[in-house]
Amino acid sequence: EAGVAQSPRYKIIEKRQSVAFWCNPISGHATLYWYQQILGQGPKLLIQFQNNGVVDDSQLPKDRFSAERLKGVDSTLKIQPAKLEDSAVYLCASSLGTTGELFFGEGSRLTVL
Amino acid sequence: AQSVTQLGSHVSVSEGALVLLRCNYSSSVPPYLFWYVQYPNQGLQLLLKYTSAATLVKGINGFEAEFKKSETSFHLTKPSAHMSDAAEYFCAVSEASGYSTLTFGKGTMLLVSP
Repeated sequence: EAGVAQSPRYKIIEKRQSVAFWCNPISGHATLYWYQQILGQGPKLLIQFQNNGVVDDSQLPKDRFSAERLKGVDSTLKIQPAKLEDSAVYLCASSLGTTGELFFGEGSRLTVL
Repeated sequence: AQSVTQLGSHVSVSEGALVLLRCNYSSSVPPYLFWYVQYPNQGLQLLLKYTSAATLVKGINGFEAEFKKSETSFHLTKPSAHMSDAAEYFCAVSEASGYSTLTFGKGTMLLVSP
């Protein structure tokens, strides 16, 4: 069974530029998550989708971050404009249900200069 | 609101020694509890989970954890550390109902010396 796929693995941009990350979850997983992991900290949930709908985006900085999940499968996370403090690993995860057993991708490491 | 506290950002053990990583949780409703492991430059991998069945949970790679409601704890243990256990370990909590998000602790880096 293929795992959660993310791209790109690494991205370096200058502040005020924009960036987009892509995620393809495990086939059949209805729930998709984007987490932000800053160095030395645990992952922090940015947004949770259930199929096409948003379940929780309370910690998403909506003035600069946006995310969508078209047709209930792939998802993209966009940051525009980026700030220095956005430097982090962006982890995508998916799950069959809502009991917390998440399957994670390898992450996309963003460096903002 | 739910939260997790992991005591100790770094834990060092010798190969063959007991591993003990501490986790305390806070939840207003019965929780589900998880331990995830993260190797360098990789995503998180589930080690084990507690979902209100047996309080002693066995996971992969010889790890186990015990849910203690009276102490609000879910500490991770392994009798004998191996060099390959060196990684970062995250405790996480979610509520055992509805669409509950998973909240992670700050992580504990396990260092294993020969």
